Amino acid sequence: DVKVTQSSRYLVKRTGEKVFLECVQDMDHENMFWYRQDPGLGLRLIYFSYDVKMKEKGDIPEGYSVSREKKERFSLILESASTNQTSMYLCASSSPLILGAEQFFGPGTRLTVL
Amino acid sequence: AQKVTQAQTEISVVEKEDVTLDCVYETRDTTYYLFWYKQPPSGELVFLIRRNSFDEQNEISGRYSWNFQKSTSSFNFTITASQVVDSAVYFCAFANFGNEKLTFGTGTRLTIIP
Repeated sequence: DVKVTQSSRYLVKRTGEKVFLECVQDMDHENMFWYRQDPGLGLRLIYFSYDVKMKEKGDIPEGYSVSREKKERFSLILESASTNQTSMYLCASSSPLILGAEQFFGPGTRLTVL
Repeated sequence: AQKVTQAQTEISVVEKEDVTLDCVYETRDTTYYLFWYKQPPSGELVFLIRRNSFDEQNEISGRYSWNFQKSTSSFNFTITASQVVDSAVYFCAFANFGNEKLTFGTGTRLTIIP
């Protein structure tokens, strides 16, 4: 079974703190994604990585950065957390869609910024 | 740009009733992928189905069925004889051919009343 794990289920941080959210997948997938999920807005893509050290901005990259130093690990970084970044963060991974793949999701990290 | 609309925000039905979740997409592309995901209360998104734009055949999997109609740009999901375990948020998603990024709808919260 594909396994996508995220470092924390719940996280509470203070405004201005630097926050790291870690995601690890064990299926050698090329693609990894970070989404945030907010009520009434569905899932919105923050960043996407299609290879080690490669990244693309998604729909809402402002206030976030990412790092992919190893194929299995994709980190989301909030350089200076703000209250409007309180949300559920979901990581996903996949092989290329053209190969018939789908995205596999982790359990999510619910981040609260005070 | 593509867009996915799930107009039904919340639906409640009594157990054993049939229920259909609507999904309408907008795109100028002729080749694309469509997906449905389920998000149970535990939070982790679970893949249900993937459809390619060149395959309009309807699909049935147990109590689940999907109706894909390119003429109306719809990809609706029907649960027959609903059960309490079907209670979840359901997301429809879209990806252009050659693009690994998914665009999600805002989701439909389905509650099955025992």
